[in-house]
Amino acid sequence: EVQLVETGGGLVQPGRSLKLSCVASGFTFNNYWMSWTRQAPGKGLEWVASITNSGGSTYYPDSVKGRFTISRDNAQNTLYLQMNSLRSEDTATYYCTRIPFFDYWGQGVMVTVSS
Amino acid sequence: DIVLTQAPLSVSVTPGESASISCRSSKSLLSSKGITSLYWYLQRPGKSPQLLIYQMSNLASGVPDRFSSSGSETDFTLKISKVETEDVGVYYCGHRLEYPLTFGSGTKLEIK
Repeated sequence: EVQLVETGGGLVQPGRSLKLSCVASGFTFNNYWMSWTRQAPGKGLEWVASITNSGGSTYYPDSVKGRFTISRDNAQNTLYLQMNSLRSEDTATYYCTRIPFFDYWGQGVMVTVSS
Repeated sequence: DIVLTQAPLSVSVTPGESASISCRSSKSLLSSKGITSLYWYLQRPGKSPQLLIYQMSNLASGVPDRFSSSGSETDFTLKISKVETEDVGVYYCGHRLEYPLTFGSGTKLEIK
């Protein structure tokens, strides 16, 4: 059974940093590209970052480019999202997702950016 | 960026009847490989989204065949036949044609 389990969320002040982790199981992690997708409270889905299966290439929307960094450790079957210079508009539930089809999603982890 | 526009914003359906949701793209989603990069997801209340349809018309594993999708290069329709109470939630379309990846704003399905 495919499982994606996110951890690392919480309350953080504007301008500070936070790192999310996602442990994957039930599939060959290093065969798949992975992504982070977020959902602000009561809002729709927003793609945040993607990474190739080797980790050699990464992709971001303009809203987080230069502030967020996606990475992975294939030996540990773990995906990461380093979030720096956090803003109130980054407040959301963050989902770890398997791509290209976004066919599996984690349970999500809440990040609240507030003073 | 590709903009996906969903309609209606919400739909209320009697169990056993059908429902249709539209998704219109600002750009053709037909790739150079001949694949239409349009996907449908359902987010049930309090749950993570789940994949329903991939590449415009292919049913994801475990999804009942009451769900179907069709369309052209820019206009797509998700149809739910014989709606059941478990179909309640927000439906999103999304594309994977190019970066940035984007989603529609969602259509909420309610039961009458």
